[in-house]
Amino acid sequence: DAMVIQNPRYQVTQFGKPVTLSCSQTLNHNVMYWYQQKSSQAPKLLFHYYDKDFNNEADTPDNFQSRRPNTSFCFLDIRSPGLGDAAMYLCATSRGTSGATDTQYFGPGTRLTVL
Amino acid sequence: QKEVEQDPGPLSVPEGAIVSLNCTYSNSAFQYFMWYRQYSRKGPELLMYTYSSGNKEDGRFTAQVDKSSKYISLFIRDSQPSDSATYLCAMSRGGYQKVTFGTGTKLQVIP
Repeated sequence: DAMVIQNPRYQVTQFGKPVTLSCSQTLNHNVMYWYQQKSSQAPKLLFHYYDKDFNNEADTPDNFQSRRPNTSFCFLDIRSPGLGDAAMYLCATSRGTSGATDTQYFGPGTRLTVL
Repeated sequence: QKEVEQDPGPLSVPEGAIVSLNCTYSNSAFQYFMWYRQYSRKGPELLMYTYSSGNKEDGRFTAQVDKSSKYISLFIRDSQPSDSATYLCAMSRGGYQKVTFGTGTKLQVIP
């Protein structure tokens, strides 16, 4: 089945220790998104790639970076995690169509714990 | 004021009840309205989407949009324990545009 895969599902890191989260997709979608979701809050868009074009949200901290080496993979790097970065990180993809609705498909998420 | 407002619940109902979930929004440019279901510790999955005003039905689920009131609803008929999840409304201006999510309503259907 075509899908969005995130690894690992659970990640524990120490305060200030860099961490990388991974997302892959078999949908061959143009757009890949990273969201941060804290408990009982709406998913917050951090950034997205349209093909190789990177689009950062204005309020995304510099501590968060992303890489998309090819169509299928996208990585979220947190350079110096703080306690406030503990959250569920969701990867999503979409075709990137200009008409109608551009449905986003989500992966299962990576739950990050910062000690 | 948030662009999208959604009552976080929790909402507890007995099995078989009709459930009504709602969101209000302030941005009149929104054209596409979506409902996602998110089980505990999982990613959101798309349930339904609707363009502009009107109703859309899919099995036990009905989505309604009233653009004049900036109000959207999701109805679940004959609710089942497996419907227990958080329901997120989401909306966009259409096409490749940023999607704005509500905070989600947690629903528990009690057998």
